[in-house]
Order: sequence, then structure tokens, then C-alpha cells
Amino acid sequence: DSGVTQTPKHLITATGQRVTLRCSPRSGDLSVYWYQQSLDQGLQFLIHYYNGEERAKGNILERFSAQQFPDLHSELNLSSLELGDSALYFCASSGLAGGLYNEQFFGPGTRLTVL
Amino acid sequence: AQSVTQPDIHITVSEGASLELRCNYSYGATPYLFWYVQSPGQGLQLLLKYFSGDTLVQGIKGFEAEFKRSQSSFNLRKPSVHWSDAAEYFCAVGALVTGNQFYFGTGTSLTVIP
Repeated sequence: DSGVTQTPKHLITATGQRVTLRCSPRSGDLSVYWYQQSLDQGLQFLIHYYNGEERAKGNILERFSAQQFPDLHSELNLSSLELGDSALYFCASSGLAGGLYNEQFFGPGTRLTVL
Repeated sequence: AQSVTQPDIHITVSEGASLELRCNYSYGATPYLFWYVQSPGQGLQLLLKYFSGDTLVQGIKGFEAEFKRSQSSFNLRKPSVHWSDAAEYFCAVGALVTGNQFYFGTGTSLTVIP
């Protein structure tokens, strides 16, 4: 158990809909990262938040957005969903803003299926 | 640009045999390298990491990896594989320039046969 929690575990929705994925980092971790894992794209970095502020953006679509709240939990919002958005979405947390010396601890993921 | 290549999509080994998973990276500065393992239905777990110093690093579950700057490689090894090692293995490079963004390889799926 990494200490990172993600809800829900599974999510099934239809095209055009909007969903929210939630992540709670390990106690004390200020950084939250979101990744998308799909069969054709592999594990892709989406976005990084540190203590409520966006720090880095990766391959995140404009239809996707994220935020980190004062209690440090984070939400990833996916809108106008398409079939291709079906994937496993991981959240990870680490202790420092830009320090690479801390590993990223991954949650169990949310499996999103768009029908 | 930073990138990680895992040339072997799938590897099958017999239980008790040795294992080497290949990883090559492309990064302009000193790389920070990681190996993660993902068991079916699970998140990623860190096996080991390299930041500096001794180029041979030891990890959990009996794994080790060797950093070779001249070959831009960070191969993962285990002398004797157990059936429970069957999983997906990911190599990653950390990029300080973009706030600790990780670049992952596409993964190597390991099958262990009895």
C-alpha cells in the first residue's frame, strides 16, 4: 500500500460526458502527479501540482483539467469524453516540489471506460 | 528531448533463471533513473533508483540495476527469477527542468514459466 488513494476504482460512462477522478496523496506529500496509461500510448505524464499550484504540464488535452485543493487532495476533470479517453489514470505523490530525490508513490489507479 | 526506450516488449524466462531487462534513455544532463514494477491490477511500485555515486544500485525483491553512461543504459537484473516476479516493468527518467516530470518507457512484460 503506497498511501496514495484514488477514487473511484472503476468508472464507466458514455461519450460526451464529464467525469471527475479524485486522488489523496500520502500524508505530508505536497506534490501530486497525474498519468494516463493506455495500451497504445503507454504511461503518459499529464500534469503536476505542488501545494495547490500547477508546476508542469505534459500531454494533457484541453478537455482535461486538474486542481489541487488546500487539503492537498487533487481532482482530474475529464470532459467531452471520447472513446479514446478510455484508460487507466494514475495519481502519484512525492514530498518535494522539484526535487528528484524523492520517488513518486503511485495510487492503484482509476480505470475509465468510455462507451 | 527526454525519452526512455525499453526495446523488449515481452520477455519469457524460466523460474530460477537470470533476468535482464533493457532500458536506454535520452537526456541532456545527468539522468535520474528509476525502475518501477506494476503487477496486474495494481499501481506502480518503485524497485530502485539511481541519482549519483555507485553505478550499481540495489533494489527491493533482489533486483539490481547498473547505470552505464557511455551506453545511456540502465538495465535491470535479477540473478534468479521467481514466479511472483511476473509483472510489467517500467524504466523512467526524471526531468528536473520540468518540475520532476517522469518520462516512462513503454514497459516490458515479464512472463515466468515453471
